[in-house]
Amino acid sequence: DAGVIQSPRHEVTEMGQEVTLRCKPISGHDYLFWYRQTMMRGLELLIYFNNNVPIDDSGMPEDRFSAKMPNASFSTLKIQPSEPRDSAVYFCASSLGTGPVTDTQYFGPGTRLTVL
Amino acid sequence: KQEVTQIPAALSVPEGENLVLNCSFTDSAIYNLQWFRQDPGKGLTSLLLIQSSQREQTSGRLNASLDKSSGRSTLYIAASQPGDSATYLCAVDSSYKLIFGSGTRLLVRP
Repeated sequence: DAGVIQSPRHEVTEMGQEVTLRCKPISGHDYLFWYRQTMMRGLELLIYFNNNVPIDDSGMPEDRFSAKMPNASFSTLKIQPSEPRDSAVYFCASSLGTGPVTDTQYFGPGTRLTVL
Repeated sequence: KQEVTQIPAALSVPEGENLVLNCSFTDSAIYNLQWFRQDPGKGLTSLLLIQSSQREQTSGRLNASLDKSSGRSTLYIAASQPGDSATYLCAVDSSYKLIFGSGTRLLVRP
């Protein structure tokens, strides 16, 4: 199995531009998570899906952030418009289906976003 | 609100030493506790998952213990190797979400 796949691995953009991050979870996993990691705030959960349905988006910082999961094998995290304070590493993770915290989460390699 | 603290923030040891990483959490009503490893520029790799009903879990040279009542967990690494150098994070669940500590950055010197 290829594991969780994220693209792009690095993204540099200018303030005000739209950014789209992509994730392909491990096949057969029912849960998908989006995290953000910064030096100041550590690793934070932004949103998670169960069977393609968003369950908890309370970690999404503001309306500029949106996430979708149109099918079991693909999810996107979009930032529009982007701001310098959005610069961080964004991780996608997936897990099996017994619960959002009951199974091991498998992380992708992350997307390092820099907003100038 | 669940808060997770890891001590020390950084640790440097010579190869071969046994070492202990600490994790504490404020709300003992957890479902499980997980230890992860993060290598520079990479994602997290799960090391051990301890259910709240368990006291410890072992995998190779790693042993993790959990004392839920006191809100503490330790990760014991036996006979450390340079390949163990990484950041180690613990995470506990709170309201069906994982809350992560800030990690312990470990350097094992050859």
